[in-house]
This record gives sequence, structure tokens and C-alpha cells, in this order.
Amino acid sequence: AQSVTQPDIHITVSEGASLELRCNYSYGATPYLFWYVQSPGQGLQLLLKYFSGDTLVQGIKGFEAEFKRSQSSFNLRKPSVHWSDAAEYFCAVGTPWEAAGNKLTFGGGTRVLVKP
Amino acid sequence: DAGVTQSPTHLIKTRGQQVTLRCSPKSGHDTVSWYQQALGQGPQFIFQYYEEEERQRGNFPDRFSGHQFPNYSSELNVNALLLGDSALYLCASSLFRGGETQYFGPGTRLLVL
Repeated sequence: AQSVTQPDIHITVSEGASLELRCNYSYGATPYLFWYVQSPGQGLQLLLKYFSGDTLVQGIKGFEAEFKRSQSSFNLRKPSVHWSDAAEYFCAVGTPWEAAGNKLTFGGGTRVLVKP
Repeated sequence: DAGVTQSPTHLIKTRGQQVTLRCSPKSGHDTVSWYQQALGQGPQFIFQYYEEEERQRGNFPDRFSGHQFPNYSSELNVNALLLGDSALYLCASSLFRGGETQYFGPGTRLLVL
């Protein structure tokens, strides 16, 4: 069974500074990988996804993520954080052989606080 | 183009009661998945519906059941509510074939007293 670990429960970053959120997954093959963001009391918004090909993927709101097969990681980055980036971020794994429909397994999330 | 919608937004029930939550998928999508998100945790997969049938199920008891209608909308039913069922219930829609990306609704916040 697949699993996802987000080692950092909370991260505090100053506005304008760079941000990196870690995600490690466990799965026997190359999974589908996703990052979602959740603002307080809201649903999940898709930031970006990786299925295959170029291991550096660009998403919305200036986010990017890099898939590293050797490290089973899919870390999320943003060069310069804005106050509106304060939210909870979830990494998720989907399984290609179940691609028809696709069940997602989520990490525990990382809460990002932005200092002015 | 409307995204995924869910109703109600909030709900308060007491232990032992039954609850029904509703979801309308994004236009063009035919598959609905339900997730439970307890406070401070990531979402957990409950089950998935396609062609009005449950296709996959997570590790949830039979108290959790669902239904999908011909228009692809879906309901989640929970019987004999427990305090531990208090959570945000998220609905996600996708295409069954070739639609690996799931799009989420705003969720229904359920509080069981």
C-alpha cells in the first residue's frame, strides 16, 4: 500500500523568503503525485501534479515541485512567499494501475505561517 | 462552469443519528470520491462511485454508505453517528477513464455532539 510522509508539521517563513515543503512517498512504482493547498475552512485546491516526463513541474501561484525517484520525494518550492500563501499544504499519491478513477493517499499536511 | 459543489456547508447532529451529505461533480465528470478529513489530519479516502456503483472503498465501516445518481451527483450517508465522525467531508470529482486529477469541493463540516 502507498503512503505519504510530510515531515514538517509547521513551517514559519518571512514574506519574500523562499519556501520548501518536503514530501516523501512509499510506492512500488512511479506514482501520480499531487500538491494541494487548503485555506482555513476551505476545500482543497490543486497546485500542481506530476504523472511522467520532466521531473520539474510548474504549478499555479508561482509554485513548482521536483520529482526525485531516487529519494522517493516530491518537494514543493516557491522562490518568494506572499502573505496569501499562508495555508495548509498536502502532498498526495495516486496509483497509476488504478488510474481509472484513482484513489488518493494524502500526507498529514504542513501548515505554513507567513511573517510580515 | 461550476466546480464541485457540496451541501450543506455545516451540520450538527447528535450521537446515534443518521446524516446525508450531497455532492454535485464538476461539469463533464462522471466519478465521485468521498474523503473524511479529521481536524489536523490529511483527508482519508472513504469510497468512490462510478456508473452508480461503488468502485473502491477505503478502511471505513459499513455505517458509511453512498449512492450515485444518473446525473453523476452523489450522496454520502452515515448511520449511527459517533463522536469520532466529526470531521470535514470532502467530495472530489474526476473522469473515470484518463482522469487522474481529482477536483475537490468546499466540504461539509459535520459536528457530532
